[in-house]
Amino acid sequence: GQNIDQPTEMTATEGAIVQINCTYQTSGFNGLFWYQQHAGEAPTFLSYNVLDGLEEKGRFSSFLSRSKGYSYLLLKELQMKDSASYLCAVRDSNYQLIWGAGTKLIIKP
Amino acid sequence: EPEVTQTPSHQVTQMGQEVILRCVPISNHLYFYWYRQILGQKVEFLVSFYNNEISEKSEIFDDQFSVERPDGSNFTLKIRSTKLEDSAMYFCASNLVYEQYFGPGTRLTVT
Repeated sequence: GQNIDQPTEMTATEGAIVQINCTYQTSGFNGLFWYQQHAGEAPTFLSYNVLDGLEEKGRFSSFLSRSKGYSYLLLKELQMKDSASYLCAVRDSNYQLIWGAGTKLIIKP
Repeated sequence: EPEVTQTPSHQVTQMGQEVILRCVPISNHLYFYWYRQILGQKVEFLVSFYNNEISEKSEIFDDQFSVERPDGSNFTLKIRSTKLEDSAMYFCASNLVYEQYFGPGTRLTVT
């Protein structure tokens, strides 16, 4: 079966750095996505990795290792507005997005 | 900035009734999707649509579901006979290349 694992919840302090991990086992791989979702709202795109390595985009970076089936999202200089769920999703061989359950990130002052 | 829009924002219906959820994808996008998210659970893929036909569908997308692109702008999801377990947030998304843009969602409540 297809499976995406990420921690259920994480807590971090404003101004700090947090790393959210994601491991996946899917039928095929055509890219990994990170989305942010605030409660009651739609997911919004953060990053896309299809090749191994680090993609940096402002305060957010995403890393991919295809051989390990592993990715992480790194958030720097945390702000209170970063409190949200972070969803890892993998596009499989059928180009369907398979979603993780999301990591709820709580930022404390 | 262009965005995906969805109507209605909230739909309440009785079990067994038909509902149509509407979406207007971003105008130059070619790929369209419907997802659902039951409260507190993960996002689930329902169907993808390209070139006026379904390209992929999940096991959830059974005979009770259908999609249409009746004109050049709207993209609809129809549920023929709603069940209690269809209560969820339904998101429409579209993309041109890889980044999918999501609409704000329609909250469907089946009573």
